[in-house]
Amino acid sequence: EDQVTQSPEALRLQEGESSSLNCSYTVSGLRGLFWYRQDPGKGPEFLFTLYSAGEEKEKERLKATLTKKESFLHITAPKPEDSATYLCAVQAGGTALIFGKGTTLSVSS
Amino acid sequence: DAMVIQNPRYQVTQFGKPVTLSCSQTLNHNVMYWYQQKSSQAPKLLFHYYDKDFNNEADTPDNFQSRRPNTSFCFLDIRSPGLGDAAMYLCATSRDTGANQPQHFGDGTRLSIL
Repeated sequence: EDQVTQSPEALRLQEGESSSLNCSYTVSGLRGLFWYRQDPGKGPEFLFTLYSAGEEKEKERLKATLTKKESFLHITAPKPEDSATYLCAVQAGGTALIFGKGTTLSVSS
Repeated sequence: DAMVIQNPRYQVTQFGKPVTLSCSQTLNHNVMYWYQQKSSQAPKLLFHYYDKDFNNEADTPDNFQSRRPNTSFCFLDIRSPGLGDAAMYLCATSRDTGANQPQHFGDGTRLSIL
């Protein structure tokens, strides 16, 4: 069964304190791995798609990397406005995105 | 701005009373999806339309139905809502179903059942 597990469930950082979020997955035939940001009461906002091991994507303070078993979302020098829930999802053989439960990030100034 | 719009943002209905949630898009995307997200859980796909072709996920309860009268609009009908159907319902769209076409989400409708 295709599965996505994110850790930690919650992460508290001080402004400027860099860290990483983990997304481990077990799927047969990965077609793409997606990172989304979700603010309270809002829908997920697309951040990145990664397709193959070794690939990296960057956007402002965020950098996503992919291996054959997991993906990391690195946050460099976070700011309070980076506080949100970060969702990882995979697409395998079908159309459905299989989501993890997310990591809720809180950044305090 | 092009976007995915869901109405209403909050919906309260009574146990067993049919309810319809609405989604519209200005992206002119071929595919529209409905996800259910319960509190502190991952979004779960209920079904999707590729143009007019309806595709139901195997474990979606029969209580959930959908209509897509045209490219821009898609509706989620819950025929007899139970307490377990209280959740955030997310609509998403994509140009195609390939992994190179990311899904874009609306802000959801939060459904409460009394």
